[in-house]
Amino acid sequence: DGGITQSPKYLFRKEGQNVTLSCEQNLNHDAMYWYRQDPGQGLRLIYYSQIVNDFQKGDIAEGYSVSREKKESFPLTVTSAQKNPTAFYLCASSILNRGNYGYTFGSGTRLTVV
Amino acid sequence: AQSVTQLDSQVPVFEEAPVELRCNYSSSVSVYLFWYVQYPNQGLQLLLKYLSGSTLVESINGFEAEFNKSQTSFHLRKPSVHISDTAEYFCAVTRFSGGAQKLVFGQGTRLTINP
Repeated sequence: DGGITQSPKYLFRKEGQNVTLSCEQNLNHDAMYWYRQDPGQGLRLIYYSQIVNDFQKGDIAEGYSVSREKKESFPLTVTSAQKNPTAFYLCASSILNRGNYGYTFGSGTRLTVV
Repeated sequence: AQSVTQLDSQVPVFEEAPVELRCNYSSSVSVYLFWYVQYPNQGLQLLLKYLSGSTLVESINGFEAEFNKSQTSFHLRKPSVHISDTAEYFCAVTRFSGGAQKLVFGQGTRLTINP
């Protein structure tokens, strides 16, 4: 079955460390997205990518970086510059410019700073 | 620009009671509207969507939503809820920006079902 796989499910980071969250999809979707979810704040867009080797900042990109070297993969790095990284991170994908399609989501990664 | 407002952050109801989760959107163009459900520590799953045609759309688990263009609303309803409906629900609208179509999400409504 096609879908999106996020790993790991739980991740712990020490202060000052960079960590990378994995997102892989086998849906042949062109567009991929990273969201951050905090209690009571809904979903906030971090980065998105419409094609390989291209990506754009979302609403809260500071302290994060991404790459899109393959269509199937869109990893997110949470850098030490992100001052409050503890959150639930969701990856999603969609068919490019098909607004009627909606998004398919992964199961999320919960990042905690220790 | 399109935006979404979910009017209630939390909705507690008793099992087998009816429920309505409210969603209003702002848009000057035709829109696509969605409801997603998120169970604890999971990703979002598509519940139902409105694209065009009949203003009442239904999901397979008894939820329905009605698109009301004049009131710019897309409220989600269920006539009788079950404990398993306990989850967070997100309303979303398609936004057109920078040559791309993206979903804009509301803040979410946490539905709690009490026995």
